[in-house]
Amino acid sequence: GENVEQHPSTLSVQEGDSAVIKCTYSDSASNYFPWYKQELGKRPQLIIDIRSNVGEKKDQRIAVTLNKTAKHFSLHITETQPEDSAVYFCAAENYGQNFVFGPGTRLSVLP
Amino acid sequence: ETGVTQTPRHLVMGMTNKKSLKCEQHLGHNAMYWYKQSAKKPLELMFVYNFKEQTENNSVPSRFSPECPNSSHLFLHLHTLQPEDSALYLCASSQEENSNNEQFFGPGTRLTVL
Repeated sequence: GENVEQHPSTLSVQEGDSAVIKCTYSDSASNYFPWYKQELGKRPQLIIDIRSNVGEKKDQRIAVTLNKTAKHFSLHITETQPEDSAVYFCAAENYGQNFVFGPGTRLSVLP
Repeated sequence: ETGVTQTPRHLVMGMTNKKSLKCEQHLGHNAMYWYKQSAKKPLELMFVYNFKEQTENNSVPSRFSPECPNSSHLFLHLHTLQPEDSALYLCASSQEENSNNEQFFGPGTRLTVL
């Protein structure tokens, strides 16, 4: 079955700097890769996703890149702000299967 | 917030109690999920229902019993739980069609087993 690893487990950046979180997956058939943000005490919410037919997707300060050959995908946050502080989860899914989540990255943006 | 709701938000129970968690989605989705979120662990998928039929039981102990009476409601019945079952239990829903789609999460039930 699918196995998703995520690094780093914790990340601290200065406000205004960029943050990068990387995930690797094991099932080459996986074709959907969402990223969820979970603020303290709140539910996980989708912030961006990418499908296997696309190499990169951007939404304002957030971007995701996918390397299907290497089986890894990354979340990039530019110009970080204190409200970006949260736990970020990646996931991988092969249609017809179920999401497999990574263990999460706790991002702290220091003012 | 609307979308996916869960009750109760917090629950404390003894190991001999029987309780139920409730999830309701107002999004017209056809798939619902139960996840367990423990500290320092990935989100663990417990059960999946598609069109009210259980399609996944991820080796969950029998002290957890799901029920899906219709596509909008999902329950998790709990009995004789253990302290290690203390966690945040998240419900989610999605529209399963011919491609992968976003899962919408509820706010969760924080369960403490004494």
